[in-house]
Amino acid sequence: ETGVTQSPTHLIKTRGQQVTLRCSSQSGHNTVSWYQQALGQGPQFIFQYYREEENGRGNFPPRFSGLQFPNYSSELNVNALELDDSALYLCASSLDRGHEQYFGPGTRLTVT
Amino acid sequence: TQLLEQSPQFLSIQEGENLTVYCNSSSVFSSLQWYRQEPGEGPVLLVTVVTGGEVKKLKRLTFQFGDARKDSSLHITAAQPGDTGLYLCAGEAGGTSYGKLTFGQGTILTVHP
Repeated sequence: ETGVTQSPTHLIKTRGQQVTLRCSSQSGHNTVSWYQQALGQGPQFIFQYYREEENGRGNFPPRFSGLQFPNYSSELNVNALELDDSALYLCASSLDRGHEQYFGPGTRLTVT
Repeated sequence: TQLLEQSPQFLSIQEGENLTVYCNSSSVFSSLQWYRQEPGEGPVLLVTVVTGGEVKKLKRLTFQFGDARKDSSLHITAAQPGDTGLYLCAGEAGGTSYGKLTFGQGTILTVHP
């Protein structure tokens, strides 16, 4: 059984640019959550997708947006990148809402 | 906004010592989870506690959920170098926050041989 995968592993962008991060959920999982983990901090909840619909959002501005596809894979898009967006972005999938979340290895985004 | 305060932030001990990590909040959580994260990897779930006063053991690790479900602790007995890593507590509030985790800042544990 394949676990949660994320791409790319690392990414360097310039302030003002846009970025798309991708996540493939574990087989059979219909829920995907995204988290931002700044250096030396715990992860912060960005939003959650359940069966292709957004199912809750954390305290992040609208320039953070997402999608979930029919195969339950997901994308996180960030527009107008700021220096403070530099972080590890984690995706987690779960069998259903409220079930155990399985995390991917993350995408390390650096904004210069 | 629900917050989880985790302490200490850093812990450096010798092999064989015992340690306790604390996770405190003013809010009630329907469940609380402990994760361990290695460099370059995502967090891996160690345990979930759901009942006030609950105690769970995982080999040398003991997890406790406070009676009021606002705090939790992780105790490691006879720490080993393999226990080195980032330990995170995370709470789920339930209700409209069902399935959304609030994480503490993490505790970086280093166990020296």
